Amino acid sequence: AQSVTQLGSHVSVSEGALVLLRCNYSSSVPPYLFWYVQYPNQGLQLLLKYTSAATLVKGINGFEAEFKKSETSFHLTKPSAHMSDAAEYFCAVSEGSNFGNEKLTFGTGTRLTIIP
Amino acid sequence: NAGVTQTPKFRILKIGQSMTLQCAQDMNHNYMYWYRQDPGMGLKLIYYSVGAGITDKGEVPNGYNVSRSTTEDFPLRLELAAPSQTSVYFCASSSGGGKVTEAFFGQGTRLTVV
Repeated sequence: AQSVTQLGSHVSVSEGALVLLRCNYSSSVPPYLFWYVQYPNQGLQLLLKYTSAATLVKGINGFEAEFKKSETSFHLTKPSAHMSDAAEYFCAVSEGSNFGNEKLTFGTGTRLTIIP
Repeated sequence: NAGVTQTPKFRILKIGQSMTLQCAQDMNHNYMYWYRQDPGMGLKLIYYSVGAGITDKGEVPNGYNVSRSTTEDFPLRLELAAPSQTSVYFCASSSGGGKVTEAFFGQGTRLTVV
């Protein structure tokens, strides 16, 4: 069984400050990990994904995430927050179709607020 | 390229009514999914399909039904609407086929049952 835990349902950072959103996962097989972003009244959009290649993954809008197997973590970071980053962020895990389970399991989400 | 299209965007239902949420994708994806999103709960999988004619239950299937007669369409049916089904519903698709793929999401349907 797979699961995702996102620590902190709400995170506030000042414009220009570091963004750090935490995600820990549980999976019985090597996981595929994703970060999605949801802007108000929109669907989910992929930020980045980990597919067992490089452990440091770069995504859109300056975001990146590092896969740490020993810590079962996949935290999302951005060096300098911008007002347009205000949104809800979801971490998700999949075991992949090779294992017959491409279904995504989502965390409960983190709402990011940017303080001017 | 339209991607994943959901209709309607908003709907108010009375208790006991039924309705179908429509979902269509034009990416020739094999896998399609229905999720519901409730505040503070993330997204929960209702049903999914790995191809035309094949569907399976997800985490929260009670009160819903699906069918997949074509690759493109994956409608979600609510037979007897209940207030607990008030939620935002998202349809998604992915290509599958033994490689890591991302899911593409529709814009969502906001359903209120009163």
